[in-house]
Order: sequence, then structure tokens, then C-alpha cells
Amino acid sequence: DTEVTQTPKHLVMGMTNKKSLKCEQHMGHRAMYWYKQKAKKPPELMFVYSYEKLSINESVPSRFSPECPNSSLLNLHLHALQPEDSALYLCASSQDRVGGGYTFGSGTRLTVV
Amino acid sequence: GNSVTQMEGPVTLSEEAFLTINCTYTATGYPSLFWYVQYPGEGLQLLLKATKADDKGSNKGFEATYRKETTSFHLEKGSVQVSDSAVYFCALTNFGNEKLTFGTGTRLTIIP
Repeated sequence: DTEVTQTPKHLVMGMTNKKSLKCEQHMGHRAMYWYKQKAKKPPELMFVYSYEKLSINESVPSRFSPECPNSSLLNLHLHALQPEDSALYLCASSQDRVGGGYTFGSGTRLTVV
Repeated sequence: GNSVTQMEGPVTLSEEAFLTINCTYTATGYPSLFWYVQYPGEGLQLLLKATKADDKGSNKGFEATYRKETTSFHLEKGSVQVSDSAVYFCALTNFGNEKLTFGTGTRLTIIP
């Protein structure tokens, strides 16, 4: 298995809703990432988990809450989002070494109404 | 810090034309360099990579050579196809910092 699987592919939520994005990989990668991508822009790093521990939080608002239940799973819990949070949310994983490259999922297209 | 500069798009070419997308970087030490491709409505796919100077990465007819003397990693393809239409991102990682630093992306459109 050489894929990163993200669910759901599309999500529409209201500003008072609570929802979660899920990401799964079975490549034995020890680092997992959440990225946010706005239209016509490169992905922006949000969070990094290394060996199931949060190692980087790029000053992301608390309405985004990451969780890494085990080495294969990564969640992003969403609460009280704003319309400007609408974007493509990408999960990625990598080996714990430079040069291995990241494997990205196909993303969740989030729309906040 | 690390940074990547790539040519602004959009780039429009006719089918079978030669493609070059320029990418230069700023980083200390010996970064690893990558090209990612994003097709419409999809996530990013690793296209090719190079981990040391003078390495050539290649995949699907695309090539890029790690040039440390010019801090460049230009993407080339000898004959593009309509199916190559996508956004291409140059990126790097560096020892001690697994964060993937992206360029701004170049949108490529191939006309039949």
C-alpha cells in the first residue's frame, strides 16, 4: 500500500458545526502532516506529527485541533470555522529522514457556509 | 531560512513542444529537491526528486538535475502532451528540518 487515504473528499459545514477530517497511511511512515491549500496557492503547513507526537504547530487557530491516535491515523477536528477556512486540506506522510519525499492524499475540499 | 523560487505562470504550450520550468533555491547545506504535480481537483503527486548534487531525477519523460553551483533544479520535458496540463511545484527539504518548502507553483496548459 503506497497511498495516503483521506475522507471525506468533500465537506460542507456550517460555522457552528463540529466535523472531523480523517487521514490514513499504511506505509510505516513516522511523520504525518496537515496542509491547507487555497486556490492557486502552494500548500501551507499546519501541523506535523512525528512518532505520534505533535512536533510543529504553525500558529494555527485553535478551531483546528489535530489528533494522532496511532502511527497510521491522523485526524483534524474542526469547530466554529469561518468562511475563510474554506480550502483544500491535504494530509501527507513521510519517512523520518530527509530526501524521502512526502506522499500526499487527494485532499478534502472543505466549504464553510 | 530555506526558500524556493520558480517561474511564474501560467505557461501555455502546444502539444509536442519542449518544456522548461525554472526553479532556484536558497538553503544551507545540502537540501533534497523535489518536483510535485497537481492535476485539477487532486492532491499532489511526487513527480521526481534528487538528493545530492549532480543527481538527475526522472519520471514520465520529465527530468531535473540538481545543480549546486547555480542552486537550480529546472524541470524539463522534450515533448509535452495534453495530459501534462497541471500545476507544478518545486520544493525542498533540508537536514534537521523535515518541513517541505514549496515554490509558488507554475500552471501549465498544453494545447492540442
